[in-house]
Amino acid sequence: QVQLVQSGAEVKKPGASVKVSCKASGYTFTSYGISWVRQAPGQGLEWMGWISAYNGNTNYAQKLQGRVTMTTDTSTSTAYMELRSLRSDDTAVYYCARALGFYYYYMDVWGKGTTVTVSS
Amino acid sequence: QSALTQPASVSGSPGQSITISCTGTSSDVGGYNYVSWYQQHPGKAPKLMIYDVSNRPSGVSNRFSGSKSGNTASLTISGLQAEDEADYYCSSYTSSSTLAVFGTGTKVTVL
Repeated sequence: QVQLVQSGAEVKKPGASVKVSCKASGYTFTSYGISWVRQAPGQGLEWMGWISAYNGNTNYAQKLQGRVTMTTDTSTSTAYMELRSLRSDDTAVYYCARALGFYYYYMDVWGKGTTVTVSS
Repeated sequence: QSALTQPASVSGSPGQSITISCTGTSSDVGGYNYVSWYQQHPGKAPKLMIYDVSNRPSGVSNRFSGSKSGNTASLTISGLQAEDEADYYCSSYTSSSTLAVFGTGTKVTVL
């Protein structure tokens, strides 16, 4: 079955970086994109950006430009999201999701989420 | 890019129909037929319910339907059931540099 398996929870200090992985299985990885969405505690969903698993093209949310990098490893069908210069308001659950449609705007399969806690 | 506007909460009794609105602008909801809806139960990942305004993915109940008029999209849940109690988010393609934006979210309560 189609699934996305994410890496485990992380605790980081302010200013550090975090890299979350998302391993896909059950479908042709390069036929879709991967989007990343985060959700701060008690808050709504925030779209972070996407990467085309076909050609590596990316698009990031403006507020994260310069701090976020999304990559893929097609040999292992794994996507990665790295967020740098972490702040306390980056504390959230980070989801990867299979993206499709016009400019990969919607997501049909989601990972279970990775909790990232930023605290001194 | 501001979030799309949804009511904070909507409630209904079992068997009733409810509608959740999602208001944007001509740069997103109003300009394109690229609106999707997600259901999220507490502590769980979101689940796609509707895409391209009114299309249901395989496996989603036909009690869920989507529509759009002008800058406002809507999700209607008919025959409301206890299991429908969850948070619901709309999302749209946007012509801004961000390319995608979520709504503020709506908590649905089944009375």
